[in-house]
Amino acid sequence: DAGITQSPRYKITETGRQVTLMCHQTWSHSYMFWYRQDLGHGLRLIYYSAAADITDKGEVPDGYVVSRSKTENFPLTLESATRSQTSVYFCASLTSLDYSGNTIYFGEGSWLTVV
Amino acid sequence: AQTVTQSQPEMSVQEAETVTLSCTYDTSESDYYLFWYKQPPSRQMILVIRQEAYKQQNATENRFSVNFQKAAKSFSLKISDSQLGDAAMYFCAYIHFRGSTLGRLYFGRGTQLTVWP
Repeated sequence: DAGITQSPRYKITETGRQVTLMCHQTWSHSYMFWYRQDLGHGLRLIYYSAAADITDKGEVPDGYVVSRSKTENFPLTLESATRSQTSVYFCASLTSLDYSGNTIYFGEGSWLTVV
Repeated sequence: AQTVTQSQPEMSVQEAETVTLSCTYDTSESDYYLFWYKQPPSRQMILVIRQEAYKQQNATENRFSVNFQKAAKSFSLKISDSQLGDAAMYFCAYIHFRGSTLGRLYFGRGTQLTVWP
């Protein structure tokens, strides 16, 4: 079924390991986003992308790397995981900024625990 | 710096009553969209209502309406005839569609709404 899928949904990893969270959308939405959600902080923007091969930093990019070689995929990599990166991660996409009826679509979240 | 401020971490309302959740934001741009999203315990993000900044008329979706004050940079959500199913975390958000911060989608810290029977 069409939509945004995130994988893995649940992950436990050790400090120092590299972890990649995948995000795939079945539409051709231009904009994609990665957020982390922590108690008391709401959703904080990590990185976003306006199109394939165009990415930019958000509010909390340190320790994360993204790429977008294809429009439909937007993986988020923790190069060397730390305990402070334990969080719930959400991927989102947006049709277009030119469309007044646009909607932001969210994935179901990826629960990451760093031990 | 907090770009979107939700000053009420928690709110509660009696079933069938009305409640208003507040949101203020900080931007120097004039072209943006505003959103309210609902997040139940399942963590699913559900769009409640959307407002285009260039529209003066306040958006309404059934029991949900907004009070958009552009000059004051305020975007409050009113829930009328509250139902038990309205209990959730509510997030305010905005995105610029022009300007140097084009495409950045910012969220507030959320307001946890409890609905009492």
